Amino acid sequence: DSGVTQTPKHLITATGQRVTLRCSPRSGDLSVYWYQQSLDQGLQFLIQYYNGEERAKGNILERFSAQQFPDLHSELNLSSLELGDSALYFCASSVNRGLETQYFGPGTRLLVL
Amino acid sequence: ILNVEQSPQSLHVQEGDSTNFTCSFPSSNFYALHWYRWETAKSPEALFVMTLNGDEKKKGRISATLNTKEGYSYLYIKGSQPEDSATYLCAFYGGATNKLIFGTGTLLAVQP
Repeated sequence: DSGVTQTPKHLITATGQRVTLRCSPRSGDLSVYWYQQSLDQGLQFLIQYYNGEERAKGNILERFSAQQFPDLHSELNLSSLELGDSALYFCASSVNRGLETQYFGPGTRLLVL
Repeated sequence: ILNVEQSPQSLHVQEGDSTNFTCSFPSSNFYALHWYRWETAKSPEALFVMTLNGDEKKKGRISATLNTKEGYSYLYIKGSQPEDSATYLCAFYGGATNKLIFGTGTLLAVQP
């Protein structure tokens, strides 16, 4: 158990819908990262927040957004969902800004029908 | 576009065999190289974070080396066991991007 929690574990929804994925980092970690893993691709970095502020951005679509709250938990919002958004979404956390070990949550499996 | 490449893509070995995989990454703006172990139906688990050229790290039967000048890292598993079966991911952290870029992994299957 990494200490990072993600909810929900599974999510099934329809195209055009909007969903919110939630992540709670390990106690004491200030950075939260979001990754997407699709069937035919490796782990793709989406976005990082550090202590409430956006720190780095990867291949995140404009339909997706994230935020980190004062209690350091983070939410990833996915809107106007398409079939191709079906993937495993991981959250990870680290102590500081990104150089050190990242601890991964169990992931949320999203299926868009 | 920064590329992190891993080879081989997959590897099948017998229990007791020793094995190694390669991770290639950009040699400029290097900050750190991470290795993760990813078992099926679980989440990636950190093995090592390496920052210095010539670094060698060890955890049980697993060890890793780092060459930042030429941009490669090796992961070694001595006496593979079936429980070592997993995908091994490396990830490059560079100063230019401030993000971890993952390779596509090496899938290791250890037959009893």
